[in-house]
Amino acid sequence: DGGITQSPKYLFRKEGQNVTLSCEQNLNHDAMYWYRQDPGQGLRLIYYSQIVNDFQKGDIAEGYSVSREKKESFPLTVTSAQKNPTAFYLCASSIAPGTGGRNEQFFGPGTRLTVL
Amino acid sequence: QQQVKQSPQSLIVQKGGISIINCAYENTAFDYFPWYQQFPGKGPALLIAIRPDVSEKKEGRFTISFNKSAKQFSLHIMDSQPGDSATYFCATRTSSYQGGSEKLVFGKGTKLTVNP
Repeated sequence: DGGITQSPKYLFRKEGQNVTLSCEQNLNHDAMYWYRQDPGQGLRLIYYSQIVNDFQKGDIAEGYSVSREKKESFPLTVTSAQKNPTAFYLCASSIAPGTGGRNEQFFGPGTRLTVL
Repeated sequence: QQQVKQSPQSLIVQKGGISIINCAYENTAFDYFPWYQQFPGKGPALLIAIRPDVSEKKEGRFTISFNKSAKQFSLHIMDSQPGDSATYFCATRTSSYQGGSEKLVFGKGTKLTVNP
């Protein structure tokens, strides 16, 4: 089955530690995205990548880093510089921008990160 | 700066009733207006979407009404069912043809509860 997988489903981190969230897709999508979801705040864009080896900051990139070495993978690292990292993190992917159509974003099941 | 304002924050409807969720946007360059449905602990999934060249789109019990002059669009759920209980997000996007990056901008969400 084609889709997006995120791991782990739940993640606990001690203050001061970096942690990496995994996102893999087998939809052959060029674009991938990371969102943060907090209660009552909707989805806020952290980083996005439209092509391998290239990515751009979203609205709340501070304290996060990403890499895009492979088309199917877009890991997110939550660094110790992120002041309030406890949240639900969602990864998404879509076909290449500019190809027309509705360019639907498909979301993974999410990772819930809790800082202890 | 919130570019999409969604209301209400929460909505309680009786089974068989009509659920109505509204969104207002500011940027007239937006060219795509999707609605996403999210169940607790899951990633959002595209429910229905509309482009600004039509005023209404219907898929089953779900209808989007679009008012370009007022810069508003709404989701109507007819014959609401308990299984529709979820959080709904509206979103907008500027296409790459207009210089945008095809990022989605989300509203803050509406938690819908349909009572049996």
